[in-house]
Amino acid sequence: DAGVTQSPTHLIKTRGQQVTLRCSPKSGHDTVSWYQQALGQGPQFIFQYYEEEERQRGNFPDRFSGHQFPNYSSELNVNALLLGDSALYLCASSLMPRRSGYTFGSGTRLTVV
Amino acid sequence: EDKVVQSPLSLVVHEGDTVTLNCSYEVTNFRSLLWYKQEKKAPTFLFMLTSSGIEKKSGRLSSILDKKELSSILNITATQTGDSAIYLCAARNSNSGYALNFGKGTSLLVTP
Repeated sequence: DAGVTQSPTHLIKTRGQQVTLRCSPKSGHDTVSWYQQALGQGPQFIFQYYEEEERQRGNFPDRFSGHQFPNYSSELNVNALLLGDSALYLCASSLMPRRSGYTFGSGTRLTVV
Repeated sequence: EDKVVQSPLSLVVHEGDTVTLNCSYEVTNFRSLLWYKQEKKAPTFLFMLTSSGIEKKSGRLSSILDKKELSSILNITATQTGDSAIYLCAARNSNSGYALNFGKGTSLLVTP
């Protein structure tokens, strides 16, 4: 039973560039949430996708956008990268309605230089 | 604004010790509190506590929710080096849908 898969595992980008991160949810899950975890901090909620729509959004600027595909996989896009966007980006999947804790992927480590 | 605060931020213990990690929350319309263990990258689910289930136990780990004090503790008995990790606490409120509000975590190091 495949868990949550994220790609790539590491990424280095230059300020001002755009980046796309990908997530495949755990088998049987239909909901994907994205979190940003800066060094020494807890994960911060970015947004959640269900039925290919953004259902909920955290306190992140419009530079952060996403998409969910019919197979439930998801992408996180960040435009006009800033140094402060450097972080571990975690994807979590769950089944709507949620009955237990989310399953997290291993994340994508994004470094903006 | 909802807030989750964990203490201590870091802890070093010897193998065999018992540790208690703390989490306090200020959440409107509280719904549930979750504990995760983060080794390297992926947080792994430990417990979920709600108003109807305020105590959970799994092996050497146990957790209690104190609804009156708006807090939770995570206990680990007979610690092992494999328990070394960051322990994250997260709260959900009824209005936040499925968004988790995390604390900064407690970094636990268990030395041989």
